[in-house]
Amino acid sequence: GDSVTQMEGPVTLSEEAFLTINCTYTATGYPSLFWYVQYPGEGLQLLLKATKADDKGSNKGFEATYRKETTSFHLEKGSVQVSDSAVYFCALLTDSWGKLQFGAGTQVVVTP
Amino acid sequence: DAGITQSPRHKVTETGTPVTLRCHQTENHRYMYWYRQDPGHGLRLIHYSYGVKDTDKGEVSDGYSVSRSKTEDFLLTLESATSSQTSVYFCAISDGRVRGSNQPQHFGDGTRLSIL
Repeated sequence: GDSVTQMEGPVTLSEEAFLTINCTYTATGYPSLFWYVQYPGEGLQLLLKATKADDKGSNKGFEATYRKETTSFHLEKGSVQVSDSAVYFCALLTDSWGKLQFGAGTQVVVTP
Repeated sequence: DAGITQSPRHKVTETGTPVTLRCHQTENHRYMYWYRQDPGHGLRLIHYSYGVKDTDKGEVSDGYSVSRSKTEDFLLTLESATSSQTSVYFCAISDGRVRGSNQPQHFGDGTRLSIL
């Protein structure tokens, strides 16, 4: 079945450091891919998405490129801030009912 | 932000008692979902609905039932709660005006449920 694998956390960084969170997937067909972010005590918010191979999603300085050849959708940000501390989830959508398959999540902690 | 309200936000109850969680939306979105969030598992789909009185099972539906009698409300019921159902529960909605439109889901703030 479909699955998403994310790097384990927590990932601890200093402010202004470069962030990469790896995400790989297994799916039949051509899924759409998403990154969601969850701040403490809140629900998930859509961060960015890509719907086909080679698409690049971007938002708030974060980017991810849909790589079909490596079945990956790694999240990157060039210079993190303390406010980026959160849990990040990679997810894929493969069916017409809008059901999402999530990775386990990666906690990111950014220190001043 | 999408208008999604989950209630209650926190609940503590005992094993064997029935529990109902409510998700209310003001977006008139057709699709609604219930997920549970557990460490190491991300979010897993419990049940979903694609319209009034149209529901289906997700990945972890055992021990849960749902009902949707109005577009705006989606109820999740634990008929006889067990300690393994201690979790954070999230409701989500998506537009779904066009089937397969890949509209992303919008999430509520969650219900933290503890079963002792």
